[in-house]
Formats: sequence, structure tokens, C-alpha cells
Amino acid sequence: DAKTTQPPSMDCAEGRAANLPCNHSTISGNEYVYWYRQIHSQGPQYIIHGLKNNETNEMASLIITEDRKSSTLILPHATLRDTAVYYCIVRVAFGYSTLTFGKGTMLLVSP
Amino acid sequence: SQTIHQWPATLVQPVGSPLSLECTVEGTSNPNLYWYRQAAGRGLQLLFYSVGIGQISSEVPQNLSASRPQDRQFILSSKKLLLSDSGFYLCAWRPDRGETNYGYTFGSGTRLTVV
Repeated sequence: DAKTTQPPSMDCAEGRAANLPCNHSTISGNEYVYWYRQIHSQGPQYIIHGLKNNETNEMASLIITEDRKSSTLILPHATLRDTAVYYCIVRVAFGYSTLTFGKGTMLLVSP
Repeated sequence: SQTIHQWPATLVQPVGSPLSLECTVEGTSNPNLYWYRQAAGRGLQLLFYSVGIGQISSEVPQNLSASRPQDRQFILSSKKLLLSDSGFYLCAWRPDRGETNYGYTFGSGTRLTVV
């Protein structure tokens, strides 16, 4: 699976949009971009995934650049409960490849 | 709906003692099952995964073993715990659809402290 690069930490004010970047310059055509988050002392939680089109669900939006070498996870109105480590993961769409977590981005949402 | 159960939530065990952590999934059949470990201040490390009963793949050689005696049951074991086995152990599952276009669902984890 392709490697991803994320900033180690970010800050965001409550109520503002949080934009978390991820670089995956070696992504191949059959690899999806997945985002998970892990709130302290809990198991990771699936947020969203996409291949090449932008995606939106009730939790977040995922913007993937046209060349697919980077993406941005957007939390439109961050709350204190969104404070967590956010993981960007790239993996193949088919087969039994496993989920490999990097170090992620620690997002701190402040009042 | 599908649910994943993992227990116990916390465990303190002496060095050299055995370990058995259990994970069960409800509401689905033939799930892919995973054990991860997160040591203090470190990232999530995949330990074992299973795509079917009796089938176990090990990602990292270590003092631990895994078994899948039933379709929706995944057990993590050790015969003799080491101090380095301390950590946060997470079980996860995803549907066996062939393609990986489904998110993993994680359990609530077991925090193991070996003393």
C-alpha cells in the first residue's frame, strides 16, 4: 500500500472548519484513500473513504486532488468531541490487504 | 445491526502469567477479523488477522498467538506474558466481500498492564 504523510498536529477553534491534509504521492490507480480517527483510549472510528471523486457523509467531507496525490479531510464545524488522532490510509480496493496505520495527525479543538 | 464485543476492558497481569482476550462479532457471518496492539505513545500495530475459521495470519513474530475457533470469535493468547506485552489491544472486523471497499469496525479495546 502507498505511504502517506500527515502533519503531526493541528489546532482548530470550536465551530470552525478543520482541514486535515494528507499526501500520498505514490498512490496507484486501484488504491482508495481512507480516513479514521481515534479518540483517546478508544478504538479507531471509520470516517470516510474515496477513490477519486469528492465524498461527503454525515461526519466529514473528503476532497481528493485531480492527480490523486493528496487529499484533505474537512470537518465543517469542529466540536470539542472531534479532538482525536486522525489517520489517512491508502490501500488497495480488492483482495485481503490489511489496514496499516501511520502516526496520524493529532487534532486539538479548543473553545 | 452488527456489533463487536471485546473483553475485559482492563487487565493487570503479572509477568509470566497466561493471557486470553476474547472478541466476538454479532449480526454478520464470515467476517474478516483483526487484532491490533497500541503500545504507550506509539501507533497501531497489526498483530493477526483471519479470513475464516481456523485460518490465522501473523504479521509480527512475538510472544502472542491467535485462534478463531468459531466464525465470529477471535481469541488472542499468550502462554507467558512479558513486560513488553503491555498495551492497548483492539479487535476489529469488516465484511468479507472480497473487495476492501468497506471500513473496519473496532471494538472498545482491552488495556493490558503487565507488572
